Amino acid sequence: GAGVSQSPSNKVTEKGKDVELRCDPISGHTALYWYRQSLGQGLEFLIYFQGNSAPDKSGLPSDRFSAERTGGSVSTLTIQRTQQEDSAVYLCASSYGYTFGSGTRLTVV
Amino acid sequence: GIQVEQSPPDLILQEGANSTLRCNFSDSVNNLQWFHQNPWGQLINLFYIPSGTKQNGRLSATTVATERYSLLYISSSQTTDSGVYFCAVAPQAGTALIFGKGTTLSVSS
Repeated sequence: GAGVSQSPSNKVTEKGKDVELRCDPISGHTALYWYRQSLGQGLEFLIYFQGNSAPDKSGLPSDRFSAERTGGSVSTLTIQRTQQEDSAVYLCASSYGYTFGSGTRLTVV
Repeated sequence: GIQVEQSPPDLILQEGANSTLRCNFSDSVNNLQWFHQNPWGQLINLFYIPSGTKQNGRLSATTVATERYSLLYISSSQTTDSGVYFCAVAPQAGTALIFGKGTTLSVSS
C-alpha cells in the first residue's frame, strides 16, 4: 500500500483479556518496527523484524508480549492478560527511513 | 544502553521566531534521525543525519558526531510547526532507533 496501515485504530479491552494489534507495512519494505508511546512520553522500542533474520525482541517488556511477522509482510503484536499499564498508543514503522503508521490506541479498563 | 537527552523539554514561540532544539547522545551512533509528531499524533521523519548538515526549507539540522550532539533549527516558525520533535539514534547498523523524550513546541499566531 501507499503507507503503513495499523488496525484497529482504537481498542478498549478489559483487564486480563488478550489483544492483537495489526500492522501492514509498505509493500516491499523488509524492516518493520513496533514501538509504544504512553501518554505524554517518548517512544519505547518493543521489537524489530528484518527480513528473514531472527527478530530483535530486546524491547519487549514482559513475556505477555509477543509479535510475529508472516510472509515478511503483515505483523501482529499480541498482548496476553492485559494490564492497565499496557494502555498506550502502539506504533508500527517500516523501512530504514521509519515511515510510521497512525497507531493503535489501546485502553485497558 | 545509549542515552538520548533533548532540550529544552518545552518551547513556546510567537509565529515568525527562530528556534534551536538540541539532542545529546551518550555514545557513537550509526544512525540519527529527527521526527515531528503533530498534534494529532502522526510521526513524520524530518532528517536522517548521523553527521553533517542538511536543510529542507525552513528546517535544517546539524550533527557533530565527534562531540555527540545534534541540533535542529526552525526558522520563521509557523503554527503548523507545533507538536513534539523527537531525536532518535541507533548505536550500530541493524539496530532499532532509541528515541529521546522530545521537545514540545507551541507556536502561537
